[in-house]
Amino acid sequence: SQLAEENLWALSVHEGESVTVNCSYKTSITALQWYRQKSGEGPAQLILIRSNEREKRNGRLRATLDTSSQSSSLSITATRCEDTAVYFCATETNSAGNKLTFGIGTRVLVRP
Amino acid sequence: ETAVFQTPNYHVTQVGNEVSFNCKQTLGHDTMYWYKQDSKKLLKIMFSYNNKQLIVNETVPRRFSPQSSDKAHLNLRIKSVEPEDSAVYLCASSLGGKGNTLYFGAGTRLSVL
Repeated sequence: SQLAEENLWALSVHEGESVTVNCSYKTSITALQWYRQKSGEGPAQLILIRSNEREKRNGRLRATLDTSSQSSSLSITATRCEDTAVYFCATETNSAGNKLTFGIGTRVLVRP
Repeated sequence: ETAVFQTPNYHVTQVGNEVSFNCKQTLGHDTMYWYKQDSKKLLKIMFSYNNKQLIVNETVPRRFSPQSSDKAHLNLRIKSVEPEDSAVYLCASSLGGKGNTLYFGAGTRLSVL
């Protein structure tokens, strides 16, 4: 799982399998976002889930949020080689500037 | 095409030199950001601007200075670079406010020799 203090995690799956990336955070949040960063590109948002939501879907992606345990997960079903990327969770709080605090990231490798 | 554009893609320089990175967004957003991504992929916010006004200024060395001419442009100048400045600098924009998506550029990779 991701925490800013941890090293980058890595997961490897075969194409067609499912994969789940976990994220934990330490503060009270207003929303949590999941981003994906492919090699040579900037991060791109996948899902935004607000603090009063428990689950959000976007195609093959499903994000969950548990504010009591301060954790979130992102599941990808029927993975494809193009899902290979680093996945970040990013938390939003009530602090000034609406800045997002990103987790360390999880590298997902989808093998053919 | 509407997006966030950064130049240059790569920059190699020596310790003590000054560098400037450019960022332009054509999304019509009010808020722009600079993030630094280190070799471990950790993303840390450096600055954010809303309509040319600085609203977030994290604890970064004073040699870093953002420059905004209008809400579509946010440049980053580093005066007298240090080896630890080697990283990917990512520019982003958003509508501002809560629960907004950040749209990132492809980044500028800086190598300090």
